[in-house]
Amino acid sequence: DAKTTQPPSMDCAEGRAANLPCNHSTISGNEYVYWYRQIHSQGPQYIIHGLKNNETNEMASLIITEDRKSSTLILPHATLRDTAVYYCIVRGYSSASKIIFGSGTRLSIRP
Amino acid sequence: NAGVTQTPKFRVLKTGQSMTLLCAQDMNHEYMYWYRQDPGMGLRLIHYSVGEGTTAKGEVPDGYNVSRLKKQNFLLGLESAAPSQTSVYFCASSPGVFSSNQPQHFGDGTRLSIL
Repeated sequence: DAKTTQPPSMDCAEGRAANLPCNHSTISGNEYVYWYRQIHSQGPQYIIHGLKNNETNEMASLIITEDRKSSTLILPHATLRDTAVYYCIVRGYSSASKIIFGSGTRLSIRP
Repeated sequence: NAGVTQTPKFRVLKTGQSMTLLCAQDMNHEYMYWYRQDPGMGLRLIHYSVGEGTTAKGEVPDGYNVSRLKKQNFLLGLESAAPSQTSVYFCASSPGVFSSNQPQHFGDGTRLSIL
């Protein structure tokens, strides 16, 4: 499984877009990029995932570079409730049972 | 919708005691997982199961055993608890291999302290 690299912390003003980067330079062709977040000490919450195309859902947008070596999670209008640790994970078809969580990015939203 | 339910939510044990953590899911998922999360760290996979009656080791399996006798339940056992096993334990489930791009759904965790 490819490893990911994320900044340990970021902050963003409330109402602005939060852009969280992730590097996954060793990603292989059949591996998806997933994003989860963990608010306080709750269980991780799924946000979005993609293979190579950009994806958007009601929570966020995922932008994957053309070479797939990095991606960005975008929270379009951050609120205080988006304060959490965000995990970028790469997961392949053949290793579907193994999700490796790194240390994530602690996102703080400023009022 | 219950989703993934973990019991108990909190527990304090003495070193050497044994206990079983229960995870139940009502989504008919094939895969189930047990993770532990230590303070300030990401989740680490302990054991997982790809179907009823099957289990496999994850990253940090030592000191734990698991069983998947029923599809909806995944049990995590500590035979002889040690202080190093003080952690928050999360259970997760996901659809089977033919939906391998589907996300995992997590429970709310069990906070376990070993004195």
